[in-house]
Amino acid sequence: KNEVEQSPQNLTAQEGEFITINCSYSVGISALHWLQQHPGGGIVSLFMLSSGKKKHGRLIATINIQEKHSSLHITASHPRDSAVYICAVNAGGTSYGKLTFGQGTILTVHP
Amino acid sequence: DAMVIQNPRYQVTQFGKPVTLSCSQTLNHNVMYWYQQKSSQAPKLLFHYYDKDFNNEADTPDNFQSRRPNTSFCFLDIRSPGLGDAAMYLCATSREGPGYEQYFGPGTRLTVT
Repeated sequence: KNEVEQSPQNLTAQEGEFITINCSYSVGISALHWLQQHPGGGIVSLFMLSSGKKKHGRLIATINIQEKHSSLHITASHPRDSAVYICAVNAGGTSYGKLTFGQGTILTVHP
Repeated sequence: DAMVIQNPRYQVTQFGKPVTLSCSQTLNHNVMYWYQQKSSQAPKLLFHYYDKDFNNEADTPDNFQSRRPNTSFCFLDIRSPGLGDAAMYLCATSREGPGYEQYFGPGTRLTVT
């Protein structure tokens, strides 16, 4: 079992729909990251969380430390949101920023 | 402004011919990372530098080496590329410690013929 599990692995939505991607982890962490990767492209950091909730435009990320769970929400989804969304954690005890990655969620938003 | 720059964006090399990938940063971050990402897989950390202190992941093949001549630049050397080394190579930087964001470069797509 991976230390970081995401669901769903694939997600298809119609433009305008509300989208949720889930991430569960089994290790103690100091921070959790949500990353976005477009096909053939580099990775962009969307959020870094250690508690609570963050919002940036149409994106919202939440984390529940006790339940070891985080969600990424996209409101009013758009075809340009189509990408791979990756959850990654800084496992506790590391002195630098090594990330443990989930397997990614492939999101496709149709017009 | 570009913060983490990787060159080249696409690299084709022959089986067994040494190749060097380049990464530079304008963020003055202590830590630089090299990841390998194969198709439809999560990135895999190869090694990282904390300043000039080099840290190899246990399962990184000896075929992969790295140099960091100064804070801004870091190089990935693949001594004898095999077909299995074809991948996207991602460079990233962060401040010291786990509580900081990582900034990724656009990646170099390596093809081995």
